Amino acid sequence: AQTVTQSQPEMSVQEAETVTLSCTYDTSESNYYLFWYKQPPSRQMILVIRQEAYKQQNATENRFSVNFQKAAKSFSLKISDSQLGDTAMYFCAFFTHNAGNMLTFGGGTRLMVKP
Amino acid sequence: GAVVSQHPSRVICKSGTSVKIECRSLDFQATTMFWYRQFPKQSLMLMATSNEGSKATYEQGVEKDKFLINHASLTLSTLTVTSAHPEDSSFYICSARVGGRLETQYFGPGTRLLVL
Repeated sequence: AQTVTQSQPEMSVQEAETVTLSCTYDTSESNYYLFWYKQPPSRQMILVIRQEAYKQQNATENRFSVNFQKAAKSFSLKISDSQLGDTAMYFCAFFTHNAGNMLTFGGGTRLMVKP
Repeated sequence: GAVVSQHPSRVICKSGTSVKIECRSLDFQATTMFWYRQFPKQSLMLMATSNEGSKATYEQGVEKDKFLINHASLTLSTLTVTSAHPEDSSFYICSARVGGRLETQYFGPGTRLLVL
């Protein structure tokens, strides 16, 4: 069974600064996908970024980038130039075709961006 | 594109009544839809997976007779909470995916259920 662990229940960052959210996972699979989802106060789940395990290059989406360390089974999210609108719950998620085709979510990290 | 809607967004009901929540994929056909439950400040917990035209697959510990799921078309899945009790109060989220991209789920905005 796959597990996803987010060790930081809460974090805060000053506006315009950079913050890194941690995520580790456990799997015996070699092919899988990793995701970071954002859930703002509206509760709508928003896909922030995705990474295919077979790709060595770290994914980036504007101010969001990941540090994917496959051997260490680590998938951290870096948010640069933090904005007030980045305040949200962030969930790391794992998907593999060999596990019921379902997403496995981490426990979440609550990020507060302070002005 | 890839918009998923849920209705209602918020519902309050009396204990013992049944509540139906709809999940619609607005601009694509969803071969599979998922229903999640989320308690305050917690992660999403998968309740069940529904495939169009077949019975839903429930996760361990989820009462299938209490949480009835119907996926009658490629754009609509419904979750009915039967004989609701206060402990069923929660935030319910659906998601949908297209058959060709199994790893991608599109999430609805969620439904907040309060049972009095």
